[in-house]
Amino acid sequence: ETGVTQTPRHLVMGMTNKKSLKCEQHLGHNAMYWYKQSAKKPLELMFVYNFKEQTENNSVPSRFSPECPNSSHLFLHLHTLQPEDSALYLCASSQDGTWGDEKLFFGSGTQLSVL
Amino acid sequence: KNEVEQSPQNLTAQEGEFITINCSYSVGISALHWLQQHPGGGIVSLFMLSSGKKKHGRLIATINIQEKHSSLHITASHPRDSAVYICAVRQYSGGGADGLTFGKGTHLIIQP
Repeated sequence: ETGVTQTPRHLVMGMTNKKSLKCEQHLGHNAMYWYKQSAKKPLELMFVYNFKEQTENNSVPSRFSPECPNSSHLFLHLHTLQPEDSALYLCASSQDGTWGDEKLFFGSGTQLSVL
Repeated sequence: KNEVEQSPQNLTAQEGEFITINCSYSVGISALHWLQQHPGGGIVSLFMLSSGKKKHGRLIATINIQEKHSSLHITASHPRDSAVYICAVRQYSGGGADGLTFGKGTHLIIQP
C-alpha cells in the first residue's frame, strides 16, 4: 500500500463515451502526476500539479482533461478517445514536485481499453 | 534513441540466483531512481541515489557518475521478485516536467 489510490482499476470505453479516472493520496503531498504507460514504451508524463496548480501538460491531446480540486485529489477526464489511447494510466504523488529529486509514490493504475 | 538504456530487456533466472540489472544514461544527472512494477501495474520506488551505493534487504543499488552507469542487484532471488524494474534519471536540463527520463524497464522472472 503506497498511500495513493486509483479508481477504477479497469475501464473499457467506446470512442464516444465520457469517463473519469480518480486518484487520491493520503500522504500530505503537494505534487500529483498523471503518467501514461503503453506497451514496450517508457513511462510518459502527462500532467503535473504542484500545490494544485498545473505546471506542465506536455502536449497532451485535449481529449484528456485533468482536474485537481485540492492537493489530495486528482482526476483525469476522458472524452472521444481513440483506440491508441488504450494504456495503463498511473497516478503518482511527491512531497513538493521538486523536479525528480524526491521519491514518487504511485497508485496501482487504471488499465484503459478504448474500443 | 532513449537517453536511458536498460539491460537486459528480459531476464529469467532460477530461485536463489544473484541478479544484476544495468542502467546506462547519456546525460548529466543529479539523481537516479530504481522502480519496481509488479504484474497488475502498481509501481514502488526502491531507491533514489546520486552517488555510491544503497542497500535495502536483498536489494543493492550502485551508481558510477563518471561512467554514467547504475546497477541494481538482487541477492538470493525469490519468485516474488518477479517484476519489471525501471530506471529513471533526473537530468540537469531537459527531461519531462517532473525532471525524470525513464528507461523501458527490465522484465525479470524468477522461477522456483
